[in-house]
Amino acid sequence: DAGVIQSPRHEVTEMGQEVTLRCKPISGHDYLFWYRQTMMRGLELLIYFNNNVPIDDSGMPEDRFSAKMPNASFSTLKIQPSEPRDSAVYFCASTPEGLIGTQYFGPGTRLLVL
Amino acid sequence: AQKVTQAQTEISVVEKEDVTLDCVYETRDTTYYLFWYKQPPSGELVFLIRRNSFDEQNEISGRYSWNFQKSTSSFNFTITASQVVDSAVYFCALVRIYGGSQGNLIFGKGTKLSVKP
Repeated sequence: DAGVIQSPRHEVTEMGQEVTLRCKPISGHDYLFWYRQTMMRGLELLIYFNNNVPIDDSGMPEDRFSAKMPNASFSTLKIQPSEPRDSAVYFCASTPEGLIGTQYFGPGTRLLVL
Repeated sequence: AQKVTQAQTEISVVEKEDVTLDCVYETRDTTYYLFWYKQPPSGELVFLIRRNSFDEQNEISGRYSWNFQKSTSSFNFTITASQVVDSAVYFCALVRIYGGSQGNLIFGKGTKLSVKP
């Protein structure tokens, strides 16, 4: 399997622009997680899905952030409008039902908002 | 609430030294899982080990070993005979289980390990 795939790997945008991050989980995995990593806050959960249904979105900073999982093989995280404080590395991870917590991470998307 | 504390922010050792990374966790759950992940300079997150709350056996994998003690809520990680390639940030994490489903990883702040030749 190719592992968790994220695109783009790097994104530079200007404040106010819309940003869409994409994730393809490992086939057969039931859970998909979006995390954000910053120097100040470390690694923190944004949202996670189980069987395409959002379970916990308490980590989504504000209404500017939205996430969808239209099917088992694709998820998006959208920021609109983007702000400089959104600059971070965004990781997507997936895990199967029977392998509790052993999440397989994608390479991350490094986002810089100018 | 759940919390993971890695008190050591940075550790620097010389190659071949042994090094222990500390992890202390807080949870009121009886069922939970503990993890260690490695983040090398390239940035990806690599799974190292998983341990459930009912299994306090220590584990050894090559130069790596883990010591889980529920009495002190600790899950420490030891690298024996460290190598330059061990240089990375190491994260301890916790997952709670509730309603038969799993939650997200709750990470500590990480310990940056530098192994010098």
